[in-house]
Amino acid sequence: DAGVIQSPRHEVTEMGQEVTLRCKPISGHDYLFWYRQTMMRGLELLIYFNNNVPIDDSGMPEDRFSAKMPNASFSTLKIQPSEPRDSAVYFCASRRTGIRTGELFFGEGSRLTVL
Amino acid sequence: GESVGLHLPTLSVQEGDNSIINCAYSNSASDYFIWYKQESGKGPQFIIDIRSNMDKRQGQRVTVLLNKTVKHLSLQIAATQPGDSAVYFCAENRNQGGKLIFGQGTELSVKP
Repeated sequence: DAGVIQSPRHEVTEMGQEVTLRCKPISGHDYLFWYRQTMMRGLELLIYFNNNVPIDDSGMPEDRFSAKMPNASFSTLKIQPSEPRDSAVYFCASRRTGIRTGELFFGEGSRLTVL
Repeated sequence: GESVGLHLPTLSVQEGDNSIINCAYSNSASDYFIWYKQESGKGPQFIIDIRSNMDKRQGQRVTVLLNKTVKHLSLQIAATQPGDSAVYFCAENRNQGGKLIFGQGTELSVKP
C-alpha cells in the first residue's frame, strides 16, 4: 500500500518567495496533520484536519502560513512570503478514526531551505 | 506548563544489550502515550502505545512502562540491534482528535 506522499522532498528558495508543500494522505484516512521539525523546537504540530475541515490551527506560526485540504486525497501548506527561519523539515501525517488515535502515518517530509 | 520531555538526549548501547529510553510528562490529566522511532531522513514511525489504565504493554522486542505516580514513561528494547539506531520520541495524545505533542527525542546509537 502507498504511504503518505509528500512533495517536493527538497526545496531551496530565496527569502520572500512563495512556497507550497503538498501531501497525499493514505486512502481512507480521515485525519491529516502538518508538523514542522527543527533541531531547536523539535516536532511541532502546525494544523490538523478531520474530514477535510481544519480542527486546530493554533500551531500555525503566523499569517504567512496557510493550509488547505480541498478534498480527502490532497492537502497543501503554503508559506508566503518565506523567511530564513521557516527552514525546517515539514511532515504530513494521516490516520483513520479508531481506537489507536496515536498511530499516525508520516510521510518522508519536505526539507525546506530559505536563503 | 504542559510538556512532554526526555531525561537523556543520547544513549549508546552495545549490540545485544537491552536499551531503556525514558520520558517524563507534566500533564497529570494525560491518559494516552505513544512511542515513535525516527530513522535518519525519514518520518517518525509508530512503535507502541499505552493508555493510563495500564502500567505495562509489550510488543515485539519492546515494552512500554508507565508510572503515573511520578509521571514517567519508558521504552525498553530487548536485544538491541544496529537497526534500532534512531531517534526515539515519546508523545502525548491530548484529546480524542489526536493532537499529538512530541517530546524532544533521544538518539539511540547501537555499537556493533
